Amino acid sequence: DGGITQSPKYLFRKEGQNVTLSCEQNLNHDAMYWYRQDPGQGLRLIYYSQIVNDFQKGDIAEGYSVSREKKESFPLTVTSAQKNPTAFYLCASSIGSEQPQHFGDGTRLSIL
Amino acid sequence: KNEVEQSPQNLTAQEGEFITINCSYSVGISALHWLQQHPGGGIVSLFMLSSGKKKHGRLIATINIQEKHSSLRITASHPRDSAVYICAAPPHRGSNYQLIWGAGTKLIIKP
Repeated sequence: DGGITQSPKYLFRKEGQNVTLSCEQNLNHDAMYWYRQDPGQGLRLIYYSQIVNDFQKGDIAEGYSVSREKKESFPLTVTSAQKNPTAFYLCASSIGSEQPQHFGDGTRLSIL
Repeated sequence: KNEVEQSPQNLTAQEGEFITINCSYSVGISALHWLQQHPGGGIVSLFMLSSGKKKHGRLIATINIQEKHSSLRITASHPRDSAVYICAAPPHRGSNYQLIWGAGTKLIIKP
């Protein structure tokens, strides 16, 4: 079945380390997104990509980086510059901008 | 003031009750999304609508563009409906990729 796979489900990072969250989709969707969710709060857009080899900053891009070298993959790197990285990270994809977004199951990142 | 506001923030009801969750927005939008977030964190898209009403099983979503208001209704509610329900909308001007998200309504259905 088609879908979005995020890995790992839980991730721990030491302070000062970069860490990469994986997001893979086999839905043949052009657009992909990364969101951050903090407890009791709504989703906030980190980065999005409309098409391969292209991506744009969302509302809270500072301290994060992405790449989109393949249509299926949109990894997110949480850099040491992100001072408060503990959160729930969700990846999504859509056919285009005016279509529903399909979500992965998320990755919970914690600082050791 | 948030551009997309949901009410209530929290809702607890007994199994079988009729549920209404509201979403009001202050910006011009082209469509509105309703999504469901399960307790484990996974999110499922329920509806995307730009006018009128859509129905799927016991869920009904309506939108009134003139009043800038949408409702999600659940008939014959069941404990498995317990989740956070989120509305989101792409701005009428600006990138449709950047949805404006409501904070969510946490629904608990007691058996």
